[in-house]
Amino acid sequence: GQQVMQIPQYQHVQEGEDFTTYCNSSTTLSNIQWYKQRPGGHPVFLIQLVKSGEVKKQKRLTFQFGEAKKNSSLHITATQTTDVGTYFCADPITGNQFYFGTGTSLTVIP
Amino acid sequence: EAGVVQSPRYKIIEKKQPVAFWCNPISGHNTLYWYLQNLGQGPELLIRYENEEAVDDSQLPKDRFSAERLKGVDSTLKIQPAELGDSAVYLCASSLEAGELFFGEGSRLTVL
Repeated sequence: GQQVMQIPQYQHVQEGEDFTTYCNSSTTLSNIQWYKQRPGGHPVFLIQLVKSGEVKKQKRLTFQFGEAKKNSSLHITATQTTDVGTYFCADPITGNQFYFGTGTSLTVIP
Repeated sequence: EAGVVQSPRYKIIEKKQPVAFWCNPISGHNTLYWYLQNLGQGPELLIRYENEEAVDDSQLPKDRFSAERLKGVDSTLKIQPAELGDSAVYLCASSLEAGELFFGEGSRLTVL
Protein backbone atom coordinates (compact mmCIF):
# COMPACT_ATOMS: atom_id res chain seq x y z
CA GLY A 1 0.00 0.00 0.00
CA GLN A 2 0.89 3.65 -0.05
CA GLN A 3 3.73 4.79 2.18
CA VAL A 4 3.52 8.54 1.73
CA MET A 5 1.02 10.66 3.59
CA GLN A 6 0.08 14.23 2.78
CA ILE A 7 -1.44 16.95 4.91
CA PRO A 8 -3.76 18.67 4.79
CA GLN A 9 -6.23 16.64 2.78
CA TYR A 10 -8.15 19.78 1.79
CA GLN A 11 -7.26 23.47 1.84
CA HIS A 12 -9.45 26.44 0.96
CA VAL A 13 -7.68 29.77 0.58
CA GLN A 14 -8.59 33.24 -0.56
CA GLU A 15 -6.93 34.26 -3.78
CA GLY A 16 -3.64 35.90 -2.93
CA GLU A 17 -3.03 33.86 0.21
CA ASP A 18 -0.20 31.39 0.49
CA PHE A 19 -0.62 27.60 0.50
CA THR A 20 1.56 24.77 1.73
CA THR A 21 1.19 21.00 1.49
CA TYR A 22 3.40 18.53 3.29
CA CYS A 23 4.42 15.03 2.30
CA ASN A 24 5.70 12.55 4.89
CA SER A 25 7.21 9.14 4.30
CA SER A 26 7.72 6.28 6.73
CA THR A 27 10.95 5.42 4.98
CA THR A 28 13.90 7.33 3.58
CA LEU A 29 13.23 8.37 0.02
CA SER A 30 15.73 8.18 -2.81
CA ASN A 31 13.94 11.04 -4.50
CA ILE A 32 10.48 12.54 -4.63
CA GLN A 33 8.29 13.89 -7.37
CA TRP A 34 5.37 16.30 -7.29
CA TYR A 35 2.35 16.25 -9.57
CA LYS A 36 -0.67 18.46 -10.07
CA GLN A 37 -4.08 17.19 -11.13
CA ARG A 38 -6.70 19.68 -12.24
CA PRO A 39 -10.36 18.79 -11.63
CA GLY A 40 -11.37 16.25 -14.24
CA GLY A 41 -7.82 15.97 -15.54
CA HIS A 42 -4.87 13.67 -15.15
CA PRO A 43 -1.75 14.12 -13.01
CA VAL A 44 0.92 16.31 -14.57
CA PHE A 45 4.55 16.24 -13.47
CA LEU A 46 5.82 19.37 -11.72
CA ILE A 47 9.28 18.58 -10.37
CA GLN A 48 11.67 16.00 -8.96
CA LEU A 49 13.84 16.49 -5.88
CA VAL A 50 16.88 14.29 -5.31
CA LYS A 51 19.31 15.84 -2.83
CA SER A 52 18.91 16.14 0.92
CA GLY A 53 17.73 19.66 1.80
CA GLU A 54 17.19 20.54 -1.85
CA VAL A 55 15.05 23.57 -2.64
CA LYS A 56 13.71 24.31 -6.11
CA LYS A 57 11.52 27.14 -7.31
CA GLN A 58 9.14 27.43 -10.22
CA LYS A 59 7.76 30.96 -10.32
CA ARG A 60 5.42 31.10 -7.30
CA LEU A 61 5.98 27.44 -6.35
CA THR A 62 8.74 26.41 -3.94
CA PHE A 63 9.58 22.75 -3.41
CA GLN A 64 11.71 21.47 -0.57
CA PHE A 65 13.17 18.07 0.29
CA GLY A 66 13.86 17.41 3.96
CA GLU A 67 17.35 16.91 5.33
CA ALA A 68 16.54 13.32 6.28
CA LYS A 69 14.82 12.74 2.92
CA LYS A 70 11.67 11.58 4.67
CA ASN A 71 9.53 14.61 3.99
CA SER A 72 8.90 17.24 1.40
CA SER A 73 6.81 20.35 1.00
CA LEU A 74 5.25 22.45 -1.74
CA HIS A 75 4.60 26.10 -1.02
CA ILE A 76 2.63 28.38 -3.32
CA THR A 77 2.98 32.11 -2.81
CA ALA A 78 0.02 34.37 -3.57
CA THR A 79 -2.32 31.72 -4.91
CA GLN A 80 -4.28 32.29 -8.10
CA THR A 81 -7.40 30.57 -9.38
CA THR A 82 -5.22 28.69 -11.85
CA ASP A 83 -3.59 26.91 -8.91
CA VAL A 84 -6.81 24.99 -8.19
CA GLY A 85 -6.34 21.24 -8.21
CA THR A 86 -4.96 18.36 -6.23
CA TYR A 87 -1.26 18.19 -5.52
CA PHE A 88 0.37 14.80 -5.10
CA CYS A 89 3.81 13.80 -4.00
CA ALA A 90 5.11 10.53 -5.36
CA ASP A 91 7.82 8.12 -4.34
CA PRO A 92 9.20 6.54 -7.49
CA ILE A 93 11.74 4.19 -6.06
CA THR A 94 10.79 2.39 -2.84
CA GLY A 95 10.17 -1.28 -3.48
CA ASN A 96 10.39 -0.60 -7.20
CA GLN A 97 6.88 0.72 -7.03
CA PHE A 98 5.70 4.22 -7.77
CA TYR A 99 3.56 5.28 -4.84
CA PHE A 100 1.48 8.41 -4.88
CA GLY A 101 0.62 10.29 -1.74
CA THR A 102 -2.93 10.86 -0.59
CA GLY A 103 -2.99 14.31 -2.15
CA THR A 104 -3.99 17.80 -1.03
CA SER A 105 -6.97 19.36 -2.76
CA LEU A 106 -6.59 23.12 -3.13
CA THR A 107 -9.56 25.41 -3.63
CA VAL A 108 -8.88 29.07 -4.34
CA ILE A 109 -11.71 31.47 -3.59
CA PRO A 110 -11.70 34.52 -5.88
CA GLU B 1 5.19 14.50 -29.85
CA ALA B 2 2.08 12.44 -29.12
CA GLY B 3 1.30 11.81 -25.49
CA VAL B 4 -0.04 8.69 -23.83
CA VAL B 5 -3.25 7.64 -25.56
CA GLN B 6 -5.98 5.74 -23.78
CA SER B 7 -9.30 4.40 -24.93
CA PRO B 8 -12.14 4.39 -24.35
CA ARG B 9 -12.46 7.62 -22.39
CA TYR B 10 -15.74 6.51 -20.88
CA LYS B 11 -17.35 3.12 -20.43
CA ILE B 12 -20.62 2.18 -18.80
CA ILE B 13 -21.37 -1.50 -18.26
CA GLU B 14 -23.54 -3.67 -16.12
CA LYS B 15 -21.99 -5.71 -13.36
CA LYS B 16 -20.63 -9.11 -14.35
CA GLN B 17 -19.85 -7.85 -17.85
CA PRO B 18 -16.27 -7.76 -19.15
CA VAL B 19 -14.43 -4.55 -20.04
CA ALA B 20 -11.07 -3.76 -21.58
CA PHE B 21 -8.95 -0.63 -21.64
CA TRP B 22 -6.18 0.12 -24.10
CA CYS B 23 -3.08 2.24 -23.70
CA ASN B 24 -0.49 3.42 -26.19
CA PRO B 25 2.51 4.91 -24.36
CA ILE B 26 4.88 7.59 -25.55
CA SER B 27 7.23 6.19 -28.17
CA GLY B 28 10.43 4.92 -26.63
CA HIS B 29 9.14 4.76 -23.07
CA ASN B 30 10.09 1.36 -21.72
CA THR B 31 8.11 1.55 -18.49
CA LEU B 32 4.33 1.45 -18.48
CA TYR B 33 2.02 1.72 -15.48
CA TRP B 34 -1.65 1.10 -14.91
CA TYR B 35 -3.20 2.99 -12.01
CA LEU B 36 -6.67 3.03 -10.51
CA GLN B 37 -7.98 6.29 -9.13
CA ASN B 38 -11.10 6.62 -7.06
CA LEU B 39 -12.74 10.00 -6.57
CA GLY B 40 -10.85 12.13 -4.09
CA GLN B 41 -7.96 9.72 -3.77
CA GLY B 42 -4.49 9.36 -5.18
CA PRO B 43 -3.61 6.99 -8.01
CA GLU B 44 -3.08 3.41 -6.82
CA LEU B 45 -0.64 1.29 -8.76
CA LEU B 46 -2.09 -1.88 -10.30
CA ILE B 47 0.78 -3.09 -12.44
CA ARG B 48 4.11 -1.91 -13.81
CA TYR B 49 5.79 -3.15 -16.97
CA GLU B 50 9.42 -2.90 -17.94
CA ASN B 51 9.24 -3.45 -21.69
CA GLU B 52 7.01 -6.52 -22.04
CA GLU B 53 7.67 -7.90 -18.58
CA ALA B 54 5.28 -7.31 -15.69
CA VAL B 55 7.80 -6.51 -12.94
CA ASP B 56 5.26 -5.65 -10.27
CA ASP B 57 1.67 -6.83 -10.27
CA SER B 58 1.31 -7.32 -6.53
CA GLN B 59 -1.59 -4.85 -6.35
CA LEU B 60 -3.52 -6.35 -9.27
CA PRO B 61 -6.61 -8.34 -8.19
CA LYS B 62 -5.77 -11.36 -10.25
CA ASP B 63 -9.08 -13.12 -9.82
CA ARG B 64 -10.76 -10.66 -12.17
CA PHE B 65 -8.10 -8.33 -13.54
CA SER B 66 -5.55 -9.17 -16.20
CA ALA B 67 -3.12 -7.13 -18.23
CA GLU B 68 -0.74 -7.61 -21.08
CA ARG B 69 1.81 -5.58 -22.95
CA LEU B 70 2.46 -7.17 -26.29
CA LYS B 71 5.83 -6.46 -27.86
CA GLY B 72 6.59 -4.03 -25.07
CA VAL B 73 4.53 -1.21 -26.56
CA ASP B 74 0.73 -1.06 -26.26
CA SER B 75 -0.99 -2.48 -23.23
CA THR B 76 -4.45 -3.76 -22.40
CA LEU B 77 -6.09 -3.97 -18.99
CA LYS B 78 -9.08 -6.27 -18.69
CA ILE B 79 -11.68 -6.80 -15.99
CA GLN B 80 -13.86 -9.89 -16.12
CA PRO B 81 -16.36 -9.91 -14.56
CA ALA B 82 -16.73 -6.31 -13.46
CA GLU B 83 -18.14 -5.51 -10.03
CA LEU B 84 -19.82 -2.37 -8.74
CA GLY B 85 -16.70 -1.48 -6.75
CA ASP B 86 -14.60 -1.37 -9.92
CA SER B 87 -16.14 1.96 -10.90
CA ALA B 88 -13.16 4.34 -11.07
CA VAL B 89 -10.80 6.05 -13.46
CA TYR B 90 -8.12 3.79 -14.90
CA LEU B 91 -4.99 5.73 -15.71
CA CYS B 92 -2.13 4.61 -17.89
CA ALA B 93 1.28 6.25 -17.60
CA SER B 94 4.65 5.75 -19.20
CA SER B 95 8.18 6.82 -18.40
CA LEU B 96 11.82 6.31 -19.18
CA GLU B 97 13.14 4.17 -16.31
CA ALA B 98 11.98 5.84 -13.04
CA GLY B 99 11.75 9.32 -14.49
CA GLU B 100 8.70 11.52 -14.58
CA LEU B 101 5.43 9.84 -15.42
CA PHE B 102 3.39 10.95 -18.39
CA PHE B 103 -0.27 10.12 -17.90
CA GLY B 104 -3.02 9.54 -20.40
CA GLU B 105 -6.44 11.15 -20.05
CA GLY B 106 -7.76 8.06 -18.31
CA SER B 107 -10.67 5.71 -18.87
CA ARG B 108 -13.63 6.34 -16.63
CA LEU B 109 -15.52 3.15 -15.83
CA THR B 110 -19.03 3.08 -14.43
CA VAL B 111 -20.42 -0.29 -13.39
CA LEU B 112 -24.19 -0.39 -12.91
